[in-house]
Amino acid sequence: AQSVTQLDSQVPVFEEAPVELRCNYSSSVSVYLFWYVQYPNQGLQLLLKYLSGSTLVKGINGFEAEFNKSQTSFHLRKPSVHISDTAEYFCAVVSRGGNKLTFGTGTQLKVEL
Amino acid sequence: DARVTQTPRDKVTEMGQEVTMRCQPILGHNTVFWYRQTMMQGLELLAYFRNRAPLDDSGMPKDRFSAEMPDATLATLKIQPSEPRDSAVYFCASGPGLAGGPGTDTQYFGPGTRLTVL
Repeated sequence: AQSVTQLDSQVPVFEEAPVELRCNYSSSVSVYLFWYVQYPNQGLQLLLKYLSGSTLVKGINGFEAEFNKSQTSFHLRKPSVHISDTAEYFCAVVSRGGNKLTFGTGTQLKVEL
Repeated sequence: DARVTQTPRDKVTEMGQEVTMRCQPILGHNTVFWYRQTMMQGLELLAYFRNRAPLDDSGMPKDRFSAEMPDATLATLKIQPSEPRDSAVYFCASGPGLAGGPGTDTQYFGPGTRLTVL
């Protein structure tokens, strides 16, 4: 079984500042990793995913994440946030060969002027 | 712009009533997922279908919940009888079923059905 920990439930940040949302996972087997974003009253939307290859993954809206196997982390970063990035962000993991995504508890990113 | 659609968007009902939620996956997608989102539990997988066959419904309370796919364009989630603790947002998601396996799929989520059981 796998699990995901998002330690920060809320992250406030000023517009144009950089941000990092933390995600750590636990699994006894190799995994695929995902970041999804949920805007208010909407379903989740994929930001990016790591399947294999380069450990630095670039996604939509200027976000990127780095897979660190030794640290079992997949932190999400953006160098300069915008008001429109205010949303909840979910990290998710699935074991290779599996089909069930396990989601973290989410991090609410609030971008302020 | 292909999207997953869900109906109804909001449902308020009384305890003991039957609730049916519907989902239309993206045309051509062969995997369908049902999730429940609550403040306390976060996102929980309830059921998973591939090519209309249920592969995993271990996350679903069997005594009152049932999930089906009558055809490739419709997935349903029923609760009978409903209870106040079922109040949540229920999401349907579909995936294209990539050659790399279902774990590699991007899941495309619908807007959700907000269920309130009084």
